[in-house]
Amino acid sequence: GQQVMQIPQYQHVQEGEDFTTYCNSSTTLSNIQWYKQRPGGHPVFLIQLVKSGEVKKQKRLTFQFGEAKKNSSLHITATQTTDVGTYFCAGRGSGYSTLTFGKGTMLLVSP
Amino acid sequence: DGGITQSPKYLFRKEGQNVTLSCEQNLNHDAMYWYRQDPGQGLRLIYYSQIVNDFQKGDIAEGYSVSREKKESFPLTVTSAQKNPTAFYLCASSPDREETQYFGPGTRLLVL
Repeated sequence: GQQVMQIPQYQHVQEGEDFTTYCNSSTTLSNIQWYKQRPGGHPVFLIQLVKSGEVKKQKRLTFQFGEAKKNSSLHITATQTTDVGTYFCAGRGSGYSTLTFGKGTMLLVSP
Repeated sequence: DGGITQSPKYLFRKEGQNVTLSCEQNLNHDAMYWYRQDPGQGLRLIYYSQIVNDFQKGDIAEGYSVSREKKESFPLTVTSAQKNPTAFYLCASSPDREETQYFGPGTRLLVL
């Protein structure tokens, strides 16, 4: 079956440092979504990438979809304490109607 | 307010008992989903429904059952056959199967 791997599992940064999480799929994806889950909360949708090589930005967050549509990344510039949480990627394979979630990257930001 | 509600927030169950988790949405979404989340793990799909009166098994359906009699409701029953039911259960919905998923606040189930 489809597998989505996400690294690193955990990262602790100082406020102002950059952060990147990577997502790799065992199969080609039709699209990939990113979610953020705050501690004690539920996942909240951030963005969806569909096109090969697509890059989207949301303020300090930059999302990329690989040319082969098998990998993706989320980069946060100059982290803030409000960025704390777990970031999940979720891929949808060609012909699949459901999402496969990665295990997430937990981000801790120290002031 | 439009959204997804799950109740209760915390649920305690004795071993051998069935328990039903509620999920209601007023977003008029066709598709609904149940996920299980364990510490340090991603979300694993239990069941999903793309339309009323129809549902499919996800990756970890054993020990669970669902119904979809109304568009706005998708209750999940955790049966005594589920060997390790303690987890955080998340319900989600989307306009259709290809769209963004919106999650409810979740129910934490603890088996005593």
